[in-house]
Amino acid sequence: DIQMTQSPSSLSASVGDRVSITCRTSQSIATYLNWYQQKPGKAPKLLIYAASSLQSGVPSRFSGSGSGTDFTLTISSLQPEDFATYYCQQSYSTLTFGGGTRVEIK
Amino acid sequence: QVQLQESGPGLVKPSETLSLTCTVSGGSISSHYWSWIRQPPGKGLEWVGNLYNSGRTNYNPTLKSRVTISVDTSVNQFSLKLNSVTAADTAVYYCARALWIDYYYMDVWGQGTTVTVSS
Repeated sequence: DIQMTQSPSSLSASVGDRVSITCRTSQSIATYLNWYQQKPGKAPKLLIYAASSLQSGVPSRFSGSGSGTDFTLTISSLQPEDFATYYCQQSYSTLTFGGGTRVEIK
Repeated sequence: QVQLQESGPGLVKPSETLSLTCTVSGGSISSHYWSWIRQPPGKGLEWVGNLYNSGRTNYNPTLKSRVTISVDTSVNQFSLKLNSVTAADTAVYYCARALWIDYYYMDVWGQGTTVTVSS
């Protein structure tokens, strides 16, 4: 299986901050990488697919980049509704998720 | 638009079989791919398995010996069965629609259903 490591596991930030979350895979997955947002008690929501494609209806402050083994999710200006946990997920082989990054209010 | 709803018992005894159903509304189940994902309390997401529109299935290797995913197109539902459950199978179980156009991703999710394994 492809191992996925997200960093940091949690972070504290303020409204308006630029936030970046990293996902590293144990082998190259080209751009077969998706990002999801999950709020407490809710189902995950697709934000980014194919490493950098913004899902319809997702605000443009979210962006994704990377290829191979290193990927980044960036929130350009953190909004109150963005405090949540973020997961990366690879679809290159047997589906696996990263461990999650919790974004908290500073 | 497509909506998904999970249903099934919230409590299952150890060694018994967990059975869940996902009802698809607003679209045909034959037109897409479908997934089950679970999340143990306080932990991350774990993919359980996929159902492709050909009827073919693909399972997480760690669960493969215990999992069956099937479809009933007449009622627009697909199902998950997990046998010989233990407390480690306690989780919120989600069903999701998957799109596979060059890339594979899950764009519509059910609200999730909590399953507790306990005697």
